[in-house]
Amino acid sequence: GENVEQHPSTLSVQEGDSAVIKCTYSDSASNYFPWYKQELGKGPQLIIDIRSNVGEKKDQRIAVTLNKTAKHFSLHITETQPEDSAVYFCAASGAAGNKLTFGGGTRVLVKP
Amino acid sequence: EAQVTQNPRYLITVTGKKLTVTCSQNMNHEYMSWYRQDPGLGLRQIYYSMNVEVTDKGDVPEGYKVSRKEKRNFPLILESPSPNQTSLYFCASSLAGAEDYGYTFGSGTRLTVV
Repeated sequence: GENVEQHPSTLSVQEGDSAVIKCTYSDSASNYFPWYKQELGKGPQLIIDIRSNVGEKKDQRIAVTLNKTAKHFSLHITETQPEDSAVYFCAASGAAGNKLTFGGGTRVLVKP
Repeated sequence: EAQVTQNPRYLITVTGKKLTVTCSQNMNHEYMSWYRQDPGLGLRQIYYSMNVEVTDKGDVPEGYKVSRKEKRNFPLILESPSPNQTSLYFCASSLAGAEDYGYTFGSGTRLTVV
């Protein structure tokens, strides 16, 4: 089955700097790659996603890139703010579409 | 408000005492799923349901049961809980498959089995 690895597990950045989280996946048939943000005491919330026919997608300060050949995708957060502090999860969905396989999560701390 | 509602939010129980965690969604979603979250392991799928009366195992189904008698409800049943089932549990729903629409998650149920 699909295996998703996520790095780093923790990331501390100064407010205003950029943050990058990287994920690799194993199933070349996977074609949907969402990112979720989990704030303390809440369930994960979808923040951005990308499909396999697209190489990059942006939404204000966040962007996601996908390299299908290398089977990796990344989340980029620019001009980080304290409210960006959270746990971020990447995920991949295979051709069956019946589940998302999640990475281990990255705890991001933005220091004021 | 469109949401996935889980109950209870917190539960402490003893080994072997049957329990049920309820999950309900008000978005008329066909797809529902249960995940458990453990430190360093991310979220792992327990069971999922593509529609009423259709359920299937995820990656870590041992020790769990589910049912989908109505579209809106997808309870998670632990017949004989054990300490290794201490975890944070999330219910999620999607309009169709996870691939097409992503998930809406509930707020989680923190279960402790002593």
